[in-house]
Amino acid sequence: DTGVSQDPRHKITKRGQNVTFRCDPISEHNRLYWYRQTLGQGPEFLTYFQNEAQLEKSRLLSDRFSAERPKGSFSTLEIQRTEQGDSAMYLCASSPQGEKLFFGSGTQLSVL
Amino acid sequence: QSVSQHNHHVILSEAASLELGCNYSYGGTVNLFWYVQYPGQHLQLLLKYFSGDPLVKGIKGFEAEFIKSKFSFNLRKPSVQWSDTAEYFCAVNPNSGYALNFGKGTSLLVTP
Repeated sequence: DTGVSQDPRHKITKRGQNVTFRCDPISEHNRLYWYRQTLGQGPEFLTYFQNEAQLEKSRLLSDRFSAERPKGSFSTLEIQRTEQGDSAMYLCASSPQGEKLFFGSGTQLSVL
Repeated sequence: QSVSQHNHHVILSEAASLELGCNYSYGGTVNLFWYVQYPGQHLQLLLKYFSGDPLVKGIKGFEAEFIKSKFSFNLRKPSVQWSDTAEYFCAVNPNSGYALNFGKGTSLLVTP
């Protein structure tokens, strides 16, 4: 499978715990995006990387959210001190030039 | 600044015609997209408009028309099939930014 891979598929955590999600983009894609999607809503943009540079992060939901792409390949999204309102599907997408995004299947987070 | 999809739920019989509305409120030049999510699958690109002919054709017989004066990008299909049952998302990328901004989506159910 040469698509965008996300791990884990599902994550259940207790409020206050930290969680980290991983995204492996399509190998030749230098652009990587993180989105959040809640029930009945469209994907909500969080952050964008071009290679290892995080060029847009102003729409991360709070300072509890952070993302990295240290070597310009895989990326991680971390949520610290999770809250029940963080429960959502977290989507990763990659693109070679930004004209078409290839989405992964997402990580479903449930905060109890 | 937003993307508005007029219909949240649409139910059609097979062979009926489809039109899903999308309006956006971003100024300046924009790139426009329709993405589709079939049950159990990830988001995938249906069609896109960057410039040129405002009537664009996508996969599976879908087309969309960009009307600049109305800030609209409506999706159409002359005759739907049961396999078109899916969630449809309109998305806008203002040329001034990196984010692809999605509408809330329209859930389409096609009955046999």
